Amino acid sequence: KNQVEQSPQSLIILEGKNCTLQCNYTVSPFSNLRWYKQDTGRGPVSLTIMTFSENTKSNGRYTATLDADTKQSSLHITASQLSDSASYICVVSFSGGSYIPTFGRGTSLIVHP
Amino acid sequence: EAGVAQSPRYKIIEKRQSVAFWCNPISGHATLYWYQQILGQGPKLLIQFQNNGVVDDSQLPKDRFSAERLKGVDSTLKIQPAKLEDSAVYLCASSLERGAEAFFGQGTRLTVV
Repeated sequence: KNQVEQSPQSLIILEGKNCTLQCNYTVSPFSNLRWYKQDTGRGPVSLTIMTFSENTKSNGRYTATLDADTKQSSLHITASQLSDSASYICVVSFSGGSYIPTFGRGTSLIVHP
Repeated sequence: EAGVAQSPRYKIIEKRQSVAFWCNPISGHATLYWYQQILGQGPKLLIQFQNNGVVDDSQLPKDRFSAERLKGVDSTLKIQPAKLEDSAVYLCASSLERGAEAFFGQGTRLTVV
């Protein structure tokens, strides 16, 4: 069964600090991995996408890494801001013909001033 | 570019009543998804359309949920009859093609009392 596990479930940090969120998956065969940011009451918005051959992708203060051998990904947030408070969801699509995306449960990040 | 439009934004119904949600995807997007997101969890895929055909509906409770995408554009998701555990946010997303980035609407928050 294709699964995506995220950790930690929730995280509280102070403004200006860095943090790293983890995603482990068992999806196979793998197509791509995306990190989404979901603000409260809004739909998810894509931050990064990585395919099998990519091992790092940056989007401003967000940097995602991918290790396809160990089936792990991380999202690193640098110099956190209050607006980074949101849920961060890891989504893995397998290339079994339908590209069905499998969502993790998300990590809830709270940035305190 | 207009985003994914969903309506209504909020809906409160009594158990055993019926409800319908509407989604207008981004123009030209062939793939449309309906997700159910229970509070504190990641989105769960209910059904995926490719144009007006169903690609995957393995997690759709077909005894009470139905969805259609006539003409391959707009889509409706119906629940009949609703149960208390159907209380959730129902997200619609669309992508240019399978495996491409999915853009989400703001969702419909359903409360069943």
